[in-house]
Amino acid sequence: QKEVEQDPGPLSVPEGAIVSLNCTYSNSAFQYFMWYRQYSRKGPELLMYTYSSGNKEDGRFTAQVDKSSKYISLFIRDSQPSDSATYLCAMTGTSGTYKYIFGTGTRLKVLA
Amino acid sequence: DVKVTQSSRYLVKRTGEKVFLECVQDMDHENMFWYRQDPGLGLRLIYFSYDVKMKEKGDIPEGYSVSREKKERFSLILESASTNQTSMYLCASSLRDRETQYFGPGTRLLVL
Repeated sequence: QKEVEQDPGPLSVPEGAIVSLNCTYSNSAFQYFMWYRQYSRKGPELLMYTYSSGNKEDGRFTAQVDKSSKYISLFIRDSQPSDSATYLCAMTGTSGTYKYIFGTGTRLKVLA
Repeated sequence: DVKVTQSSRYLVKRTGEKVFLECVQDMDHENMFWYRQDPGLGLRLIYFSYDVKMKEKGDIPEGYSVSREKKERFSLILESASTNQTSMYLCASSLRDRETQYFGPGTRLLVL
């Protein structure tokens, strides 16, 4: 079993829809959670960074962490064609490791 | 703004050649990372460095070496390139461990 599971998609939605992207993980030591957006043939760029459980909002983006279920989500409101990209989740723990674990990414297409 | 730059966007090399990929960050970050990204496999950690001249193997270090002579620069070396090293190579840096990783634009390497 992979440490982090992420549905690869593609996920196609109409412009203006609310998008929900998810990752599940198995390691209860993970405390820091990140979402990255990656456009085709570019490097990942950070969207959201959260610590432990709870919600964090930034503009149209909301990150949610449910540590009891080992489940994290990224919601995109009022989705735009420019949101079409691959979204990667990433996480790391508090034990003495520098290692970050990445999901394989979900490809999102927002149709105009 | 954090800036991570990589020496080349695209590179074509022949089997057996020695290949150097360079990464520079301008934010005085302690940690630097090299990943490769392949379809369906996500990001896999090759090596990371938490200080000048310090390095640790990641998940797939075979066939690679690294050098960090200065804090801002982290080089990835393919000692003898092989076709199975054709991939997207991504460099990242973080201020400290468990802090956000910032990525460079990536180098697409093709080994013929």
